[in-house]
Amino acid sequence: DAGVTQSPTHLIKTRGQQVTLRCSPKSGHDTVSWYQQALGQGPQFIFQYYEEEERQRGNFPDRFSGHQFPNYSSELNVNALLLGDSALYLCASSLGNSNQPQHFGDGTRLSIL
Amino acid sequence: GEDVEQSLFLSVREGDSSVINCTYTDSSSTYLYWYKQEPGAGLQLLTYIFSNMDMKQDQRLTVLLNKKDKHLSLRIADTQTGDSAIYFCAYNSGYSTLTFGKGTMLLVSP
Repeated sequence: DAGVTQSPTHLIKTRGQQVTLRCSPKSGHDTVSWYQQALGQGPQFIFQYYEEEERQRGNFPDRFSGHQFPNYSSELNVNALLLGDSALYLCASSLGNSNQPQHFGDGTRLSIL
Repeated sequence: GEDVEQSLFLSVREGDSSVINCTYTDSSSTYLYWYKQEPGAGLQLLTYIFSNMDMKQDQRLTVLLNKKDKHLSLRIADTQTGDSAIYFCAYNSGYSTLTFGKGTMLLVSP
């Protein structure tokens, strides 16, 4: 039973560039949430996708956007990268409209130079 | 203040019990969680408790919830060096989105 998988594991970009991160949910899950974890901090909720639509959004600028595909996989896009976007980006999946907890992937470490 | 507060660091000796504490502000959350993060890794779900429960035990882990005081604790019995990690307390809100604390680093010495 495959868990949540994310790619790439590491990424280095420069300021002003754009980046796309990818996530495949755990088998049987249909909901994907994205979190940003800065160094020494807890994860911060970015947004959640369900039925290919953004269902809920945290306090992040619209430089952060996403997409969910019919197979439930998801992408996180960040435009006009800033130094402060350097973080571990975590994807979590769950079964929508259930009380089951979220399961996390190992994350993508994004470094902005 | 923060929505979820945790002490930043806890040091114990192998074989002792560890107790990690957490306070939160959202009284409407239905579930509270403990996640573990090892260096360079993602979050591993350890256990969770429904808000109408006071206690949940799962092998070496015991979760205690005081809903009146909005206080959650995680007790790890017979702590091992492999338990060294950062432990995050979190609660759910909205469509099961999670709000996390800053994490407690547990260091277990032999």
